[in-house]
Amino acid sequence: EDQVTQSPEALRLQEGESSSLNCSYTVSGLRGLFWYRQDPGKGPEFLFTLYSAGEEKEKERLKATLTKKESFLHITAPKPEDSATYLCAVRVGDSNYGQNFVFGPGTRLSVLP
Amino acid sequence: GAVVSQHPSRVICKSGTSVKIECRSLDFQATTMFWYRQFPKQSLMLMATSNEGSKATYEQGVEKDKFLINHASLTLSTLTVTSAHPEDSSFYICSARAEGGTEAFFGQGTRLTVV
Repeated sequence: EDQVTQSPEALRLQEGESSSLNCSYTVSGLRGLFWYRQDPGKGPEFLFTLYSAGEEKEKERLKATLTKKESFLHITAPKPEDSATYLCAVRVGDSNYGQNFVFGPGTRLSVLP
Repeated sequence: GAVVSQHPSRVICKSGTSVKIECRSLDFQATTMFWYRQFPKQSLMLMATSNEGSKATYEQGVEKDKFLINHASLTLSTLTVTSAHPEDSSFYICSARAEGGTEAFFGQGTRLTVV
């Protein structure tokens, strides 16, 4: 069964205190790993897609990395506006029709001023 | 990025009535749309996947007669919650993907409250 887990469940950081969020996955037929940001009462906002081990992508204070079993979302010098739930999802399936996304439970990040 | 619009953002309905939620891709043709349900502080749970012009594929445990999905055009999918009950109260989110696309773009979500 395809599974995605994320840790920690919740994380409180002081402004400027860098940290990393983890996403571990056990899937067959991985077709990409996705990171999303979700603010309360809103739909997920796309951040990154990673396809192969060793791949890295950066956007402002965020950097996503991928290994064969997990992905990390590194947050450098976070600001209060980075507070949100960060969701990890993997795209699985063998055909374009059958592919879907399996989401992890998310990490609730709070950045205190 | 591509824009997916979901409407309404909030709806309150009486128990036993039906509610329709729309999901539109505004600047691309969405050959595949996904409908999710999210309970407070929990992640998204896929309900069904639909391809334009085809019947939706429902996940195990999702009642297809209760959650009617229509994907009649490349820019519009609808989810109708029929005979809604308080336990159907949740946050419903759609996402859309273009043919051959690798990313799915999400709507803003709909908060359904059944009273």
